[in-house]
Amino acid sequence: AQSVAQPEDQVNVAEGNPLTVKCTYSVSGNPYLFWYVQYPNRGLQFLLKYITGDNLVKGSYGFEAEFNKSQTSFHLKKPSALVSDSALYFCAVFYNQGGKLIFGQGTELSVKP
Amino acid sequence: GAVVSQHPSWVICKSGTSVKIECRSLDFQATTMFWYRQFPKQSLMLMATSNEGSKATYEQGVEKDKFLINHASLTLSTLTVTSAHPEDSSFYICSASAQTGVYEQYFGPGTRLTVT
Repeated sequence: AQSVAQPEDQVNVAEGNPLTVKCTYSVSGNPYLFWYVQYPNRGLQFLLKYITGDNLVKGSYGFEAEFNKSQTSFHLKKPSALVSDSALYFCAVFYNQGGKLIFGQGTELSVKP
Repeated sequence: GAVVSQHPSWVICKSGTSVKIECRSLDFQATTMFWYRQFPKQSLMLMATSNEGSKATYEQGVEKDKFLINHASLTLSTLTVTSAHPEDSSFYICSASAQTGVYEQYFGPGTRLTVT
């Protein structure tokens, strides 16, 4: 079965420090992986995706993610966190057979000044 | 490009009434639209997938008679919550895809439904 796991409900980081939000996946076949961000009472904003090619994917707002096939992970990273990065982050995998996205449970990122 | 709107952005209705939420793709034709439900600080739960001109496909456990989905045109899908109850209060998000089975989905801003 296709699934996505975000092992941390919450991540706390000091402003200016690097941040990592973890994601692991389980899919059959090649994974199509995504990161989205959600601010309170808003829809999802696309950050980045991995379809094929370089394992390091760069996305919006300075975020990047590293695809690691052997560890089945797709962790989201940013070298220097901003207070405005505080939000809910979702990892997702595209389930080809069903034509739909499967989301992780979400990780709340809190960046303190 | 690839903008999806939802209307209304928030709605309050009384228990027992029905409420309709619209999802529109503004600058592309959406062959497929998806409806999600989200509880506070939780993940998105896919409710149903609709293809233009076809009946929606509902996920297991979603009452299709309660959550009526119509996708009558390539730019509009509607979700009607019938005989709403307080437990239907939630954040409803739609997304749209230009082609069936394609991974690119564009999300609407969401609709906050409160049933009193």
